[in-house]
Amino acid sequence: QSVLTQPPSASGTPGQRVTISCSGSSSNVGSNTVNWYQQLPGTAPRLLIYTNNQRPSGVPDRFSGSKSGTSASLAISGLQSEDEADYYCAVWDDSLNVVVFGGGSKLTVL
Amino acid sequence: QVQLQESGPGLAKPSETLSLTCTVSGYSISGGYFWGWIRQPPGKGLEWIGSINHSGRTYFNPSLKSRVTISVDTSKNQFSLKLNSLTAADTALYYCARGNSGSSSWFDTWGQGTLVTVSS
Repeated sequence: QSVLTQPPSASGTPGQRVTISCSGSSSNVGSNTVNWYQQLPGTAPRLLIYTNNQRPSGVPDRFSGSKSGTSASLAISGLQSEDEADYYCAVWDDSLNVVVFGGGSKLTVL
Repeated sequence: QVQLQESGPGLAKPSETLSLTCTVSGYSISGGYFWGWIRQPPGKGLEWIGSINHSGRTYFNPSLKSRVTISVDTSKNQFSLKLNSLTAADTALYYCARGNSGSSSWFDTWGQGTLVTVSS
């Protein structure tokens, strides 16, 4: 049971906009920056969003991140079949002194 | 282009010690950053194990700290993980990754991962 809560699944049709939430607390999301990872089937995780809302070079602008209080969100617009993957939020927890990952959300493109 | 590659035995016995090495290419470990280990049990989520910098400063997951050693060899541009007192619960895909701090969840480059199975 992670201290970061993500919905286990999300889905959408091609072209739609999907959001994935990440709920934490004052000791993690509320006080530190959130990063998001995309893990395509059979591959290593890839940094998708860093420092709440920044995209690394090479990540399409269809992906965006936001944070408010103790919650963060990942939004994917113009959904494509290749976006089918597991998505994880991650943050440092000041109370536990540990990097915590959300439980992951499996995105299905219908 | 920075690349990381894990190496080590794919099978380990209960109660024994797991040793994995991550070889970094395209960047000198001495140049900065932190270097971390993250694992993923089959079909499950990600768990941070710990991170180290070029001078040996370490950060560990408290839940694993008593069993974990992370070290760095700048001459070989490698860092290593040792995990002792193995149980079946340690069966996982082990990744090494480059981080920007010991107390950060930012990892921008990952190895492909190496599967470790703990079984007698």
